[in-house]
Amino acid sequence: QSALTQPRSVSGSPGQSVTISCTGTNSDVGGYNDVSWYQQHPGKAPKLMIYDVTKRSSGVPDRLSGSKSGNTASLTISGLQADDEADYYCCSFAGSFTWVFGGGTKLTVL
Amino acid sequence: VQLVESGGGLVQPGGSLRLSCAASGFGFSNSWMHWVRQGPGKGLVWVAYINSDESTTTYADSVKGRFTISRDNAKNTVYLQMSSLRVEDTGVYYCARDYGYEIQDWGQGTLVTVSS
Repeated sequence: QSALTQPRSVSGSPGQSVTISCTGTNSDVGGYNDVSWYQQHPGKAPKLMIYDVTKRSSGVPDRLSGSKSGNTASLTISGLQADDEADYYCCSFAGSFTWVFGGGTKLTVL
Repeated sequence: VQLVESGGGLVQPGGSLRLSCAASGFGFSNSWMHWVRQGPGKGLVWVAYINSDESTTTYADSVKGRFTISRDNAKNTVYLQMSSLRVEDTGVYYCARDYGYEIQDWGQGTLVTVSS
């Protein structure tokens, strides 16, 4: 049950695009399409943004997109806005009814 | 969908605590549920899972043998019984609803502090 690997931080200017990676193994990210992404603002509960690797949750703008290649999933946020500044976590089903999160990535909008 | 956690507080190392999560706004008795925790200034960690009829429960290695997840479908409530608590168990504990093998909805969390 090792955590998925995410960069500790990423940054971008308003209007730019950033991509956050999430690397696991073929026992989690690479083995299932049950990969999700969560946004968490300070002091708040996480909010589901992307599920099933690529599907946007209700109300999530199409500036956010998800993808996966092999053991690495990615979240891309285009047209960065100030409110995108938050922590982002990936999560994958890992088989045998267990789940694993990434360590989290702090997104800074410059 | 509403998930409201309660039961957090200050407990000494080695002590016990039971968290509750009251659910409303969805078909609780048909839903799988999770507990996820977040240490102070740290990331999210999956803790435990329970299926709809309580026939399957799973745990993170770090809590296996010390924590027990359960549910009462008549009360629309899921529980997390925590024993032999350690300082490293300190954090905010979130109750969450599963949808299709992914964690979809979250409560606001309840803070557990393990300290002497």
